Amino acid sequence: QQQVKQSPQSLIVQKGGISIINCAYENTAFDYFPWYQQFPGKGPALLIAIRPDVSEKKEGRFTISFNKSAKQFSLHIMDSQPGDSATYFCAAVNTGTASKLTFGTGTRLQVTL
Amino acid sequence: DTGVSQNPRHKITKRGQNVTFRCDPISEHNRLYWYRQTLGQGPEFLTYFQNEAQLEKSRLLSDRFSAERPKGSFSTLEIQRTEQGDSAMYLCASSFLRDATDTQYFGPGTRLTVL
Repeated sequence: QQQVKQSPQSLIVQKGGISIINCAYENTAFDYFPWYQQFPGKGPALLIAIRPDVSEKKEGRFTISFNKSAKQFSLHIMDSQPGDSATYFCAAVNTGTASKLTFGTGTRLQVTL
Repeated sequence: DTGVSQNPRHKITKRGQNVTFRCDPISEHNRLYWYRQTLGQGPEFLTYFQNEAQLEKSRLLSDRFSAERPKGSFSTLEIQRTEQGDSAMYLCASSFLRDATDTQYFGPGTRLTVL
């Protein structure tokens, strides 16, 4: 059972454009939602995270939008740059238990010149 | 470099052989996690330790898998009688529980290929 669904599977955006990646979850016990960025041959690195008590969080060019009633959240990358080309994973955690991460299936982003 | 380190980075083995991977977490981190990542998928939780105690194991962790964290420092993951289906990237992460967010920092992973 896939508890976190992520789309699209791949995304091509022109330099300067906006990249949008969407995730949906099923388990209402999840209470922490991080996004990870992974480059080839590297481990995932935390990019930005949000708790469901806020609807939006912004850090630099990266913004998470959160819709608790719909159980959906999304990552927006503004002014996308070629260096943003990587695979992005949304994740969800129930911090009341083991804090193990439940990941989405990933979105491969390519930013073209 | 004070990040999470994993060794070896790559391992090629024949079916039926045993393999062992090592993870050195960020010092002072008391939690250590193992995940497995197959091509085109997100990492899947395998097991985690708080200090030296193994507190949870996924049902993905068959009897052929065993993990240890002696003295609450580095951890090892052993796979006995490897199968081709074990081919994957094995990721280690560590964290220090300060507040409820428990941010996990990942190592570069060990890529296992079972021939």
